[in-house]
Amino acid sequence: DARVTQTPRHKVTEMGQEVTMRCQPILGHNTVFWYRQTMMQGLELLAYFRNRAPLDDSGMPKDRFSAEMPDATLATLKIQPSEPRDSAVYFCASGLRGQGIGGYTFGSGTRLTVV
Amino acid sequence: AQSVTQLGSHVSVSEGALVLLRCNYSSSVPPYLFWYVQYPNQGLQLLLKYTTGATLVKGINGFEAEFKKSETSFHLTKPSAHMSDAAEYFCAVSEWSGRDDKIIFGKGTRLHILP
Repeated sequence: DARVTQTPRHKVTEMGQEVTMRCQPILGHNTVFWYRQTMMQGLELLAYFRNRAPLDDSGMPKDRFSAEMPDATLATLKIQPSEPRDSAVYFCASGLRGQGIGGYTFGSGTRLTVV
Repeated sequence: AQSVTQLGSHVSVSEGALVLLRCNYSSSVPPYLFWYVQYPNQGLQLLLKYTTGATLVKGINGFEAEFKKSETSFHLTKPSAHMSDAAEYFCAVSEWSGRDDKIIFGKGTRLHILP
C-alpha cells in the first residue's frame, strides 16, 4: 500500500530551537494537509496545499510557524523558535482532488516535545 | 463554515455489544462525511465515507454509518464489539465545493471495550 512518510517520528528539543518536520506525500497526490493533535484541542488544521500552492494557512501561528512544499515529493513544517506549548503530534495527510472524492491518507505523525 | 460535534469523549461497551458513536455536523452545502479510526501511536485510518447516493455506508472492520440529512447526523455503528475495536474515532466533514475542501475533524470519541 502507498504510504505518507513523516520524519522524524519523534523529536525532543529545547525551547527556542528550530524544528523542521518533513512529509513525503503519496506519489501523484496533489493535496497535502498539516494537522496538529493535542489532548486539549484535538485535531487542528494548520495548513494545506494544492499542487504545491498554499490554499489555507489560517490555522497556523504566523509568527513562528511556516509551511512549504519545495517540490511535489516534499512538504515541510518549520517552527522557529519552538516553545513548550508547541508540544503535540503533527500529522501530514495527502490526497487527490479531481479524481473522485475520498478521504485522505495520513502519515504516522511526528511527536514533538519541547522542553 | 462546516463543523462537527461528537457526543461523548469516552464510550464503553461490553465485548459483543452494539457500538454506537454519535456525530452531528454543520455544513452550508451538502457535506461529505468521514469516520476515521486512530490506534495508539498511529496515524488516522479511514473507516468509511459518505459522498452521494446511498445513505447507509459500509466500511472496514464491520462498521457502518447512516447519513440522516434531517437530523444532520452521521452516527457510526457496529453490531458486535470486538476487543480490537478499542481506539479513538473521529468524525469529519468536508464541503468539497469550489476551492475550499479542507476536512474538519470532531474532537474524537475514545471507545473502550469491556471484557
